[in-house]
Amino acid sequence: DSGVTQTPKHLITATGQRVTLRCSPRSGDLSVYWYQQSLDQGLQFLIQYYNGEERAKGNILERFSAQQFPDLHSELNLSSLELGDSALYFCASSVVGTGDGETQYFGPGTRLLVL
Amino acid sequence: AQSVAQPEDQVNVAEGNPLTVKCTYSVSGNPYLFWYVQYPNRGLQFLLKYITGDNLVKGSYGFEAEFNKSQTSFHLKKPSALVSDSALYFCAVRDGAGGFKTIFGAGTRLFVKA
Repeated sequence: DSGVTQTPKHLITATGQRVTLRCSPRSGDLSVYWYQQSLDQGLQFLIQYYNGEERAKGNILERFSAQQFPDLHSELNLSSLELGDSALYFCASSVVGTGDGETQYFGPGTRLLVL
Repeated sequence: AQSVAQPEDQVNVAEGNPLTVKCTYSVSGNPYLFWYVQYPNRGLQFLLKYITGDNLVKGSYGFEAEFNKSQTSFHLKKPSALVSDSALYFCAVRDGAGGFKTIFGAGTRLFVKA
């Protein structure tokens, strides 16, 4: 158990809908990362937050947004969902997020299925 | 721009034999290299990392990795494979020249046959 929690574990929804994925980082970690894992794209970095502020952006679609709250938990919002958004979404956390050698610890993931 | 490649989609090895999972990288500055393992329906678990120092890094579950700067490689190794090592392995790199992104390879599926 990494100490990173994600809810829900599974999510089934329809095209055009909006969903929110939630992540709680390990105790003491200030940085949260979001990744998307799909069969054809592999593990793609979406976005990173550090202590409430956006730190780095990856291949995140405009339909997707995220935020980190004062208690350091983070939410990833996915809107106008398409079939291709079906994937496993991972959250990871690290202590600071600026240390080059910092280890990221991953949550168990949320499996999203868009029908 | 940083990149990482795992040239093998799948590696098959017999239990008790040594295993190697390959990884090569490209960065502008100093590389910070990581290996993670993913078991079915689970998140990624950290195995080991290279930051600086000794080129041979030892990690969890008997795994080790060798950093080779001239060949820009960071291959994962284990002297004696177990059936329970069967999983998906990811190499990742972070560029010491700047930026905060960690780039993951496509993953290599390891099958250990009893």
